[in-house]
Amino acid sequence: GQQLNQSPQSMFIQEGEDVSMNCTSSSIFNTWLWYKQDPGEGPVLLIALYKAGELTSNGRLTAQFGITRKDSFLNISASIPSDVGIYFCAGPIQGAQKLVFGQGTRLTINP
Amino acid sequence: NAGVTQTPKFRVLKTGQSMTLLCAQDMNHEYMYWYRQDPGMGLRLIHYSVGEGTTAKGEVPDGYNVSRLKKQNFLLGLESAAPSQTSVYFCASSYPVGQGARDEQFFGPGTRLTVL
Repeated sequence: GQQLNQSPQSMFIQEGEDVSMNCTSSSIFNTWLWYKQDPGEGPVLLIALYKAGELTSNGRLTAQFGITRKDSFLNISASIPSDVGIYFCAGPIQGAQKLVFGQGTRLTINP
Repeated sequence: NAGVTQTPKFRVLKTGQSMTLLCAQDMNHEYMYWYRQDPGMGLRLIHYSVGEGTTAKGEVPDGYNVSRLKKQNFLLGLESAAPSQTSVYFCASSYPVGQGARDEQFFGPGTRLTVL
């Protein structure tokens, strides 16, 4: 079935550094979604992308819908302690009625 | 709007006991989902529903049953709990997926279940 490969699986950075993570698929997606899960909470939607090539920002977060429709990127600038958590990419499975999720990128920040 | 709510927040069961987890949404969403998340793992789909009175199996349906008697509610049942079902359970809801405009799922806060 369709799978999303998310990398890196984990990141350990210093406060103030920029962060980049990506999600790739062997299949085309028409939508890319990025979620963040804080410890002990449910995932919260950060950014939704609906057009190939689209670049969308939400504060210090920027996400891009890859031109090939098979990948997406999420960048976080000037990281702060509250950015800690797990970031998931997701997209709708073609012809199905559900989303497929990446395995997540766990972000840890050293103050 | 409360969004997606789940009850209970925490529960401890003994092996063989049964329980029902309740999910409610006030966004008039057609689709609802139940996921489980194990420590250090991603989300795995248990069952989902695309409308009142309809349900379908997800990736890991064994040992669970669901019902969608009302559009705003989606119930997840464990008939005979097993230690392997110790997990965090998340409910989510959305507009119809794959129609190009509103694919986002909105998640509840989770139910932490321990089966001894």
